[in-house]
Amino acid sequence: VQLRESGPGLVTPSQTLSLTCTVSGDFISRGNYYWSWIRQPAGKGLEWIGRVYSSGTTAYNPSLKSRVTISADMSKNQFSLKLSSVTAADTAVYYCARGNFFDHWGQGTLVTVSS
Amino acid sequence: QLVLTQSPSASASLGASVKLTCTLTSGHGSYAIAWHQQQPKKGPRFLMKVNGDGSHTRGDGIPDRFSGSSSGDERFLTISSLQSEDEADYYCQTWGTGLWVFGGGTKLTVL
Repeated sequence: VQLRESGPGLVTPSQTLSLTCTVSGDFISRGNYYWSWIRQPAGKGLEWIGRVYSSGTTAYNPSLKSRVTISADMSKNQFSLKLSSVTAADTAVYYCARGNFFDHWGQGTLVTVSS
Repeated sequence: QLVLTQSPSASASLGASVKLTCTLTSGHGSYAIAWHQQQPKKGPRFLMKVNGDGSHTRGDGIPDRFSGSSSGDERFLTISSLQSEDEADYYCQTWGTGLWVFGGGTKLTVL
């Protein structure tokens, strides 16, 4: 199982951050797992952002809920993150991961919010 | 509220053993947790899941030098025969009532 994050590495303040996680070796549509986004600012700990299930149901970190949308595209075996109204505080490495216990992780992608 | 508490740092000598602790909020003693390792400049890696009864399941390719156990609201990660590459940050993690949470992490130094 492999997960790979992709998307712009630089986002302008107040704009929307958009990332995609491409899954190989498993199928989101199989419905065996949740699929999550997690982030880590430089020098800090891990923060769960939210997750999507094959049915399309989602759950979000309450601290980010008003700005986050996570969705899945079964035809491409991908799931995506959108984070709106970004500020410098959203600068972080963003990871995607599988399952309740994150048994597989992507390698991470650095997103910098700056003008 | 589900919270995981970890000591910020730990240290042990090369070749020795170390036991890291993750404490669940009181009343969550039945919860399973996962341990993740993050080596310097790398992404996290799943080490194992530890159940409330102390049983554990290691991830793919994780050596048996890494083991897990439980006692009440505490979950443990024991690393034996410490190697230099074990110097890393270790995070515990769990989920419940639709939310996923991480502990603050323990930075392990191998002396």
